[in-house]
Amino acid sequence: EAQVTQNPRYLITVTGKKLTVTCSQNMNHEYMSWYRQDPGLGLRQIYYSMNVEVTDKGDVPEGYKVSRKEKRNFPLILESPSPNQTSLYFCASSLSGPGAVYGYTFGSGTRLTVV
Amino acid sequence: GEDVEQSLFLSVREGDSSVINCTYTDSSSTYLYWYKQEPGAGLQLLTYIFSNMDMKQDQRLTVLLNKKDKHLSLRIADTQTGDSAIYFCAATYSGAGSYQLTFGKGTKLSVIP
Repeated sequence: EAQVTQNPRYLITVTGKKLTVTCSQNMNHEYMSWYRQDPGLGLRQIYYSMNVEVTDKGDVPEGYKVSRKEKRNFPLILESPSPNQTSLYFCASSLSGPGAVYGYTFGSGTRLTVV
Repeated sequence: GEDVEQSLFLSVREGDSSVINCTYTDSSSTYLYWYKQEPGAGLQLLTYIFSNMDMKQDQRLTVLLNKKDKHLSLRIADTQTGDSAIYFCAATYSGAGSYQLTFGKGTKLSVIP
């Protein structure tokens, strides 16, 4: 089944403890992206990657890192999480990027709470 | 960049039609999308429309695009309780040498049995 898999689905952590949210897609998509979803703010893009070893900042990149060493994986790293990073995070992928006819395929989300 | 605006809530009775509206600011937007998010799930692509189209119909869904007013709407005919979800409008725009996709804040559709 074609899908984007995120892990974990739920995570509670403490301020300052480094964490990684994994994202993997099995569709050979070139484009991958991370979003956070907050009440009243909708979806905001954190980072995106057009292809292997090519990443770029989205609208809200502060406090996050990403890497794209393989086409299928695009982990989101929080080096020192803070409470304002408590959010619902989505990974998405697309065959060729924004504007692709088939749109994005989204993962099921990771609900992160930083205390 | 692009701004995409939607109303936040819509409530309809089962069997009625729902119309969700969206406005965007970048007149060069090439593709416009509607995504659906059910509770506890990620977003799923519902439908899309190219900027050179006025209308697209897909079973119970009708998308209307008014390029002059930069207005997009999604009509769901014979709305069912299973249609209760958050609906996101999204538009592409060209920025920083590449295309980007901007989402609206989402419209929560509640269907009353």
